[in-house]
Amino acid sequence: AQKVTQAQTEISVVEKEDVTLDCVYETRDTTYYLFWYKQPPSGELVFLIRRNSFDEQNEISGRYSWNFQKSTSSFNFTITASQVVDSAVYFCALSEYGSGNTPLVFGKGTRLSVIA
Amino acid sequence: EAQVTQNPRYLITVTGKKLTVTCSQNMNHEYMSWYRQDPGLGLRQIYYSMNVEVTDKGDVPEGYKVSRKEKRNFPLILESPSPNQTSLYFCASSLRGVANYGYTFGSGTRLTVV
Repeated sequence: AQKVTQAQTEISVVEKEDVTLDCVYETRDTTYYLFWYKQPPSGELVFLIRRNSFDEQNEISGRYSWNFQKSTSSFNFTITASQVVDSAVYFCALSEYGSGNTPLVFGKGTRLSVIA
Repeated sequence: EAQVTQNPRYLITVTGKKLTVTCSQNMNHEYMSWYRQDPGLGLRQIYYSMNVEVTDKGDVPEGYKVSRKEKRNFPLILESPSPNQTSLYFCASSLRGVANYGYTFGSGTRLTVV
């Protein structure tokens, strides 16, 4: 069965610090996709990234970067030089590839507070 | 604009009073799904639909019903709401499979049952 674990429930950092949000997943499939979503205080879910299991290249998008390591089943998310606007709940999610119902299985989320 | 529209955004209701949360997408997506979000539990799938007239249970279907009579609409029905259904609800759609197409989420419906 699929499972996503975000061990950090809450993290608090001071503005301009770097912060890494951890995500560990479990799946028996060899083909799957990993996602990160941001949920700001307004409540909507903002898509950040989707990664397939065959692409282990790290990705950088501005201040955001993602480290995908199949050997440790991890897909960690780093925010460099954090800002107050980064304060949100961040969800990691997994979806197995298939023709039937392949829902997103979410972790429980990590609440990030960036203090000015 | 491609989007998933949920209504209402906020709803306070009383125990036992039937309610419907509407969800509509304008992207001709085949796959639609409902999730609920609760503190400390993340998001959990309630029901999903692979296409018109094809629906099935997710992980937490008790107390909910859905229908998919048209491709664009996927309403969530609470026949007799109870306080434990107080939650933040999200509707989502995908072209076909979630994994390779990803989801488009609605803005959420915050439901309070008193």
